[in-house]
Amino acid sequence: ETGVTQTPRHLVMGMTNKKSLKCEQHLGHNAMYWYKQSAKKPLELMFVYNFKEQTENNSVPSRFSPECPNSSHLFLHLHTLQPEDSALYLCASSPGDVAGLFFGEGSRLTVL
Amino acid sequence: AQSVAQPEDQVNVAEGNPLTVKCTYSVSGNPYLFWYVQYPNRGLQFLLKYITGDNLVKGSYGFEAEFNKSQTSFHLKKPSALVSDSALYFCAVRDLRSGGFKTIFGAGTRLFVKA
Repeated sequence: ETGVTQTPRHLVMGMTNKKSLKCEQHLGHNAMYWYKQSAKKPLELMFVYNFKEQTENNSVPSRFSPECPNSSHLFLHLHTLQPEDSALYLCASSPGDVAGLFFGEGSRLTVL
Repeated sequence: AQSVAQPEDQVNVAEGNPLTVKCTYSVSGNPYLFWYVQYPNRGLQFLLKYITGDNLVKGSYGFEAEFNKSQTSFHLKKPSALVSDSALYFCAVRDLRSGGFKTIFGAGTRLFVKA
């Protein structure tokens, strides 16, 4: 248990669906992250939020829409995804710039 | 640009033998380096980090890493491998530009420890 909880753990959606991934941390961290992990590829940083403000958008397609209502919660809204978006989506948090990241267990997304 | 390279896709060792998982980095300025481990169907877990100070850093589960500035390397080591160490290992560097909240990961090295 890392203190970072992701739901759902598994999600199957069609290309025309709209769904959301949720991440929650009660570690008191100020920074939260979304990473994408695809088979045989390095982890791809998608978004970073620090104190609810987005500090990084790594050229992510607009079909992925992040939301950070407070420092404890982070969402990733998904719409009109493509099959190549199927991956493990990992949320992480950290207390500062020299600290390690605390990851959730991930949400395994399959787009049909 | 900040980057890390893990030259080996896979490392195989026998239980009880020492293990090394290699990582080299390219950064501008002082490097902030990390190692993470990922077990099947799990998220990544932080193992250890190098910020400054001693070149040999000790971390979780008996792992340690050696920072070598001249060779720009940060290899992960363990004196005696366990079967339970079999997992995917990631080296990472913190990009301190733009506020320092961007962590860049290597492609990962799969470690197999055989009984």
